[in-house]
Amino acid sequence: DTGVSQDPRHKITKRGQNVTFRCDPISEHNRLYWYRQTLGQGPEFLTYFQNEAQLEKSRLLSDRFSAERPKGSFSTLEIQRTEQGDSAMYLCASRTTAGRQETQYFGPGTRLLVL
Amino acid sequence: AQTVTQSQPEMSVQEAETVTLSCTYDTSESDYYLFWYKQPPSRQMILVIRQEAYKQQNATENRFSVNFQKAAKSFSLKISDSQLGDAAMYFCAYRSANTGNQFYFGTGTSLTVIP
Repeated sequence: DTGVSQDPRHKITKRGQNVTFRCDPISEHNRLYWYRQTLGQGPEFLTYFQNEAQLEKSRLLSDRFSAERPKGSFSTLEIQRTEQGDSAMYLCASRTTAGRQETQYFGPGTRLLVL
Repeated sequence: AQTVTQSQPEMSVQEAETVTLSCTYDTSESDYYLFWYKQPPSRQMILVIRQEAYKQQNATENRFSVNFQKAAKSFSLKISDSQLGDAAMYFCAYRSANTGNQFYFGTGTSLTVIP
């Protein structure tokens, strides 16, 4: 399968702990996005990468959040000192900028629960 | 920031019947893309259909079609011959062709298909 994959699919942690999520995009996709989705809401943009460069960050991305894409392939999203308000589904998506391929392809998400 | 509004939190349709999901958006731009994504329960988000704003012709994909009214900033999704597998959360999304790279999502419409 060459779709977007995310790991882990579920994470339960205690408040104050650090967590890290991984996203593997579709291999030829140079753009990678992170979103957060809370219950009953649509995905909210957090940040995106073009290759290894992080080009845009939302104001939603507090300084406790950091994302990397060191080799322009997989990406990690780390949340430090988690808070209960961080509980959400974290979605990764990727796309290519070749041609007019505007469609983003989503991964299955990582559901985070902070106790 | 652009806003996307889905005014129907829940909709239901009888199997084999037709249903229309509404979406409106707010933008001052003329070149953009619109999308409908489907998110089945506990499954990942997949693209249903997309529309380029510069195209006057409404997009169609098998049983799915859109009614794109650019002047009214309206982008509704019509599902014909509804099937049980169509039951899901449907999200409308907007992306500028020029400024920024974010996708803006609506809050979603939960579609129930009644056998």
